[in-house]
Amino acid sequence: GAVVSQHPSWVICKSGTSVKIECRSLDFQATTMFWYRQFPKQSLMLMATSNEGSKATYEQGVEKDKFLINHASLTLSTLTVTSAHPEDSSFYICSARDAQARGGFNQPQHFGDGTRLSIL
Amino acid sequence: RKEVEQDPGPFNVPEGATVAFNCTYSNSASQSFFWYRQDCRKEPKLLMSVYSSGNEDGRFTAQLNRASQYISLLIRDSKLSDSATYLCVVKGDTGRRALTFGSGTRLQVQP
Repeated sequence: GAVVSQHPSWVICKSGTSVKIECRSLDFQATTMFWYRQFPKQSLMLMATSNEGSKATYEQGVEKDKFLINHASLTLSTLTVTSAHPEDSSFYICSARDAQARGGFNQPQHFGDGTRLSIL
Repeated sequence: RKEVEQDPGPFNVPEGATVAFNCTYSNSASQSFFWYRQDCRKEPKLLMSVYSSGNEDGRFTAQLNRASQYISLLIRDSKLSDSATYLCVVKGDTGRRALTFGSGTRLQVQP
């Protein structure tokens, strides 16, 4: 079945560090990938929609200059948390949908394993 | 009002019990509906899609009522391994292809 690989799974770093998270679709092409964030005991919240070959679309309240998204190929999207601070500590998770799968947009999304980011 | 609302629980039930979760959504233009399961500190995993005609997969039954904008999940003969957070998930109209998650309902099945 469709697999999404997310790396790294766990990051602990000092305040002010920039952290890059990769999201890869391993056996399908994804023109669109989604980045979510989940704080403890809260639901997943969409941060941005990553579009291959064009600018990402950010949700209201998400700083595009802080959360840099690059989707340079049909199988890879990266999220860079720039100058991370303790309040950025969260569970970041990407998802992708195989647009060529039967059912198109109504297909469920495939999630990466998530990245737990802890900023000290 | 949240786009997707769920009772956070927790629901503490004995093994073998039947438990039902409910969910309401606010966007009447929503196209697709799912139940996901999330274990602690893990990514969400698709449990099942939800259709107006109902959808059954083993011990799990999901139902959608579009008129009431209401989704349900029924788990029969609960197992210890069913303990998790169950997320009600809605996909909006075609102009917005991301998923909107409910806050989840925590289920704890006890021996």
